Amino acid sequence: TQLLEQSPQFLSIQEGENLTVYCNSSSVFSSLQWYRQEPGEGPVLLVTVVTGGEVKKLKRLTFQFGDARKDSSLHITAAQPGDTGLYLCAGAEAAGNKLTFGGGTRVLVKP
Amino acid sequence: NAGVTQTPKFQVLKTGQSMTLQCAQDMNHNSMYWYRQDPGMGLRLIYYSASEGTTDKGEVPNGYNVSRLNKREFSLRLESAAPSQTSVYFCASSGGLSYEQYFGPGTRLTVT
Repeated sequence: TQLLEQSPQFLSIQEGENLTVYCNSSSVFSSLQWYRQEPGEGPVLLVTVVTGGEVKKLKRLTFQFGDARKDSSLHITAAQPGDTGLYLCAGAEAAGNKLTFGGGTRVLVKP
Repeated sequence: NAGVTQTPKFQVLKTGQSMTLQCAQDMNHNSMYWYRQDPGMGLRLIYYSASEGTTDKGEVPNGYNVSRLNKREFSLRLESAAPSQTSVYFCASSGGLSYEQYFGPGTRLTVT
């Protein structure tokens, strides 16, 4: 079973600060996805990274896939209260069509 | 587009009762999934269906059964509910090569 570990589990910051969430595994994934989940709703896909070393930007969010395709990070610049939520990383296996989810990082951005 | 829909949104069961959670998607996706989400444990895969007519066990299948009724619908059945099955259940579908998944709003189930 492939495992994904996210850190930290919880992050509380002030509006305007930067934050980074990490997603690590000892396994190689064919692609890695980041989702954001708000209370009472299902996760919503933010981005998919496929190539080792790939960097994708989504406004103030920067996603990076490790060179060996075993880890990923999410960096938020100048966080806003609207960024509050549960961030989940998920890795796709090379074969088959299942995702392995990390345990999630709960982010709270205080105004 | 409705995307992925789930019914019911909330349910309370007594131990030993049975129920079926319904899921439907209108995106013409081949693959569908059932997850449970418990506090601090992320999402754990219960069952999935790679295509119409096939189903496979995920990480935590015990106590559950599934039916892929057609390409649109994938149901999850609890035959004899237990308190350990208290959780939020999410259905998802996927149709792309990168396995991006689209989730429903969830069913919050409490078993007393």
